[in-house]
Amino acid sequence: EAQVTQNPRYLITVTGKKLTVTCSQNMNHEYMSWYRQDPGLGLRQIYYSMNVEVTDKGDVPEGYKVSRKEKRNFPLILESPSPNQTSLYFCASSFDGETQYFGPGTRLLVL
Amino acid sequence: SQQGEEDPQALSIQEGENATMNCSYKTSINNLQWYRQNSGRGLVHLILIRSNEREKHSGRLRVTLDTSKKSSSLLITASRAADTASYFCDTGGTSYGKLTFGQGTILTVHP
Repeated sequence: EAQVTQNPRYLITVTGKKLTVTCSQNMNHEYMSWYRQDPGLGLRQIYYSMNVEVTDKGDVPEGYKVSRKEKRNFPLILESPSPNQTSLYFCASSFDGETQYFGPGTRLLVL
Repeated sequence: SQQGEEDPQALSIQEGENATMNCSYKTSINNLQWYRQNSGRGLVHLILIRSNEREKHSGRLRVTLDTSKKSSSLLITASRAADTASYFCDTGGTSYGKLTFGQGTILTVHP
């Protein structure tokens, strides 16, 4: 089944404790992105990648890192999480940069 | 990509009725997409309409695009309780696939 998977789905952590949210797609898509969704602020892009080893900042990259060592994986790293990074995170992939296929989301709470 | 503005903000109908929601935007576009988000679930791509198209169908969905008025509408015919969700439009078309959603239209379909 063609899909984008994210793990974990839910995470509660404390300020400053490094964490990684994994994202994997099995559709051989070139494009991958990370978004966060917050009430009243809508969906905002954090980082995107157009291919292996090619990543760039989206609208809200501060406090996040990404890597794209393999085509299928695009992990999101929070080196030192803070409470303002509490959010719902989505990974997405796309074959043409237009239509995007989303993972199920990761709900993160930073205490 | 620019942000589309969906209206109404909320729509409540009975099962079997049609639901219409609208999207307005400010600058010229290459394409416009509609996405759906069920409560607590991920985002799902519904339909993409290109700037040279005026109408497109997919199952019970009908999308129209009026580039002269810079607006699009999404019609869901014979709605079902499972159509209850938030609906977002995106007027992107960037090469790196960034979606920018507005606040969306919250559709509630009562059984």
